[in-house]
Amino acid sequence: KAGVTQTPRYLIKTRGQQVTLSCSPISGHRSVSWYQQTPGQGLQFLFEYFSETQRNKGNFPGRFSGRQFSNSRSEMNVSTLELGDSALYLCASRLGTGGYEQYFGPGTRLTVT
Amino acid sequence: DAKTTQPPSMDCAEGRAANLPCNHSTISGNEYVYWYRQIHSQGPQYIIHGLKNNETNEMASLIITEDRKSSTLILPHATLRDTAVYYCIVRVSGTSYDKVIFGPGTSLSVIP
Repeated sequence: KAGVTQTPRYLIKTRGQQVTLSCSPISGHRSVSWYQQTPGQGLQFLFEYFSETQRNKGNFPGRFSGRQFSNSRSEMNVSTLELGDSALYLCASRLGTGGYEQYFGPGTRLTVT
Repeated sequence: DAKTTQPPSMDCAEGRAANLPCNHSTISGNEYVYWYRQIHSQGPQYIIHGLKNNETNEMASLIITEDRKSSTLILPHATLRDTAVYYCIVRVSGTSYDKVIFGPGTSLSVIP
């Protein structure tokens, strides 16, 4: 079974631009979560989607948004990029919400200049 | 939210058992303890989870104290490839769906 895939793997953007990252979960998994990882803040929860609806949200500004499609694929968008948005963005999928373990993708490394 | 406390770093000799402790003194009765690890620049990898009984799989063993306020992840024969950051997580059960909150973890260095 293929794992979680994320595209692109690396991205360089300029301050003020917007960016869209994509995540394809493991086949059959319906829940997708997004995390931001930086050296200073560690792994921080952004949001979780299940059945095309956002179910949980972390403490990030409204510039960070996401969505999930009917095939469970998910995208996250960051508008008006800031230098501090430079990070590894990780996507994780699981069968459903509740007590199921998450499987993480390799991440997208975003650099904002 | 229940929180976990882990030592920031540990060393372990190759071939020896690595015992990684985690404190979760405010854990609720229906909350599970999960362990993940993250090898440099890769996504975190699920290791094991448990509620109150000890658990073992092909990767590791999880020992949870009787009062559930702490646990230990055991890697029985550590190899260099086990060098990673290990995260102990307590699942936070909200009114509808779970949030998974990661702490800073323990950076394990396996030394030849």
